Amino acid sequence: QKEVEQDPGPLSVPEGAIVSLNCTYSNSAFQYFMWYRQYSRKGPELLMYTYSSGNKEDGRFTAQVDKSSKYISLFIRDSQPSDSATYLCATSHQAGTALIFGKGTTLSVSS
Amino acid sequence: GAGVSQSPSNKVTEKGKDVELRCDPISGHTALYWYRQRLGQGLEFLIYFQGNSAPDKSGLPSDRFSAERTGESVSTLTIQRTQQEDSAVYLCASSLVLDRQETQYFGPGTRLLVL
Repeated sequence: QKEVEQDPGPLSVPEGAIVSLNCTYSNSAFQYFMWYRQYSRKGPELLMYTYSSGNKEDGRFTAQVDKSSKYISLFIRDSQPSDSATYLCATSHQAGTALIFGKGTTLSVSS
Repeated sequence: GAGVSQSPSNKVTEKGKDVELRCDPISGHTALYWYRQRLGQGLEFLIYFQGNSAPDKSGLPSDRFSAERTGESVSTLTIQRTQQEDSAVYLCASSLVLDRQETQYFGPGTRLLVL
């Protein structure tokens, strides 16, 4: 079993839809949870950063971490064509260590 | 510079040749990571530098891979005797750990194709 599992999609939605992206992880020692967005032929850029369990909201984006079920979610409200990208979940057990990434989910938002 | 830069952006080489990839981190960032991203896969950790500490080489896939970093500046990743399975995007990230929090900032990557 891989440490972080993520459905690669692709996921296609119309503009304005609510998007739900998810990952599961196996190591209960993971404490830090991140979502990165990667546009084609670019490096990943950090979208959301969460420590331990709970929700975090930033504009149209909400990240949720449920440590009891080892489940990570990213919600995108009012999705836009500019949200079309690959979304990567990542986790680590402490700051200053390598991130463990999911494979990424490719999202396409059509206008 | 504003962000992490990497060079070259693309590299095509023949099987068996050596290649050297360069990363310029964000100024002041003490930590530097190298990752590899194969087509359709997530990022795989390769090596980690933190200040003057010994690097964490636990992710290097074979002894053909090596990396160096001069102080808290430039890093080079060297792949000797390249194989076709080395074809991937090689990503560099730098970070600064503050109050138990760390954000890794990625460069655009070097796309390596081994023929």
